[in-house]
Amino acid sequence: DVKVTQSSRYLVKRTGEKVFLECVQDMDHENMFWYRQDPGLGLRLIYFSYDVKMKEKGDIPEGYSVSREKKERFSLILESASTNQTSMYLCASRRRDAFRRIYNSPLHFGNGTRLTVT
Amino acid sequence: SQQGEEDPQALSIQEGENATMNCSYKTSINNLQWYRQNSGRGLVHLILIRSNEREKHSGRLRVTLDTSKKSSSLLITASRAADTASYFCATDRRKEGAQKLVFGQGTRLTINP
Repeated sequence: DVKVTQSSRYLVKRTGEKVFLECVQDMDHENMFWYRQDPGLGLRLIYFSYDVKMKEKGDIPEGYSVSREKKERFSLILESASTNQTSMYLCASRRRDAFRRIYNSPLHFGNGTRLTVT
Repeated sequence: SQQGEEDPQALSIQEGENATMNCSYKTSINNLQWYRQNSGRGLVHLILIRSNEREKHSGRLRVTLDTSKKSSSLLITASRAADTASYFCATDRRKEGAQKLVFGQGTRLTINP
């Protein structure tokens, strides 16, 4: 089974701090994603990466950056944490079995990091 | 922007009954997927249906897809207490690159013993 591990289940940070959320997958997946989940808003895509050192903005990238130096690890960085970034953060990975850019593989999620910014 | 819209937002039924959840979307898709999320945990993939398929089964799950109406339904038969969770549909947007999987806001399902 694919395992996606997020380094922290709960995290409390202060406004203005630089925050690193780490995610590691063990199945050699090419694609990795960061979502945030908020009540009433569902899951929103922050960034994704389709290969090492490659990244693309999702729907809400403002205030975030990412790093993918190794295939198994995808880090989400909050450059200067703010209270409106208090949320549940979910990392996911996906195998690239694309045929003509059509992906038919599921996402595998970690258990999430609940971040509180005070 | 959210692609999928689940309906209803919340559903409460008795154990043993069937549960039906619906999902509507707006743009053309490559496939549609359903996920389950237990409270405070990550999402778990349940089933994927491709745009050229109309129905798919997996155990007690039955998914239908109507591309003309841009809608899908998830049916859980003979529900159990362990089915209590939130259920999300997700679509691969065809135009914006197949890598982006866009989720709806979910249906909260409660199975009463």
